[in-house]
Amino acid sequence: GESVGLHLPTLSVQEGDNSIINCAYSNSASDYFIWYKQESGKGPQFIIDIRSNMDKRQGQRVTVLLNKTVKHLSLQIAATQPGDSAVYFCAENIYGNNRLAFGKGNQVVVIP
Amino acid sequence: GEEVAQTPKHLVRGEGQKAKLYCAPIKGHSYVFWYQQVLKNEFKFLISFQNENVFDETGMPKERFSAKCLPNSPCSLEIQATKLEDSAVYFCASSRPGQGRDEQYFGPGTRLTVT
Repeated sequence: GESVGLHLPTLSVQEGDNSIINCAYSNSASDYFIWYKQESGKGPQFIIDIRSNMDKRQGQRVTVLLNKTVKHLSLQIAATQPGDSAVYFCAENIYGNNRLAFGKGNQVVVIP
Repeated sequence: GEEVAQTPKHLVRGEGQKAKLYCAPIKGHSYVFWYQQVLKNEFKFLISFQNENVFDETGMPKERFSAKCLPNSPCSLEIQATKLEDSAVYFCASSRPGQGRDEQYFGPGTRLTVT
């Protein structure tokens, strides 16, 4: 199969609980960060973004935290639902360069 | 359209054959990006366009890969003489004017299998 030999970090979470996914980014010059959700067989779907002049941003049921000191990004999902089961990717972008550099995926499995 | 469209959904090629993938960005978006995803894991940036002009091609394996975005036509990514290692899902994304630093909207991808 297509995922033979691939083991993504996996977070198993009970439905209704909160989830936290972490990401370490590599480039201290990055100033724009995005979290994407990828469901099986689909393209990445935008969840939330944050610019480097902020350290926290909230959306609907999601919060992104940015710690530039340690180059760390996290995504918090409140009251996780079965539809949140997917692979989550963080991506970074450097001013003046519009390409995204993606981190490794984190699989979230929601247990009903 | 309101979504990025990619065709075909699946493409199978024998090693050494040519592969051509197509992408129609969202109407009004001026930036187009191509990414390669191997084994459902990390995405590798290949190339970006601002309208029909190449904006950044630093990710392209230039010997065999080429891409175009011509006016009034879908964008295309072509691989000459495919190799087994080219097997991957190729995603196209587009974004609004604004130096491409707005949200990138991704298409459903084209799965290329080289046998």
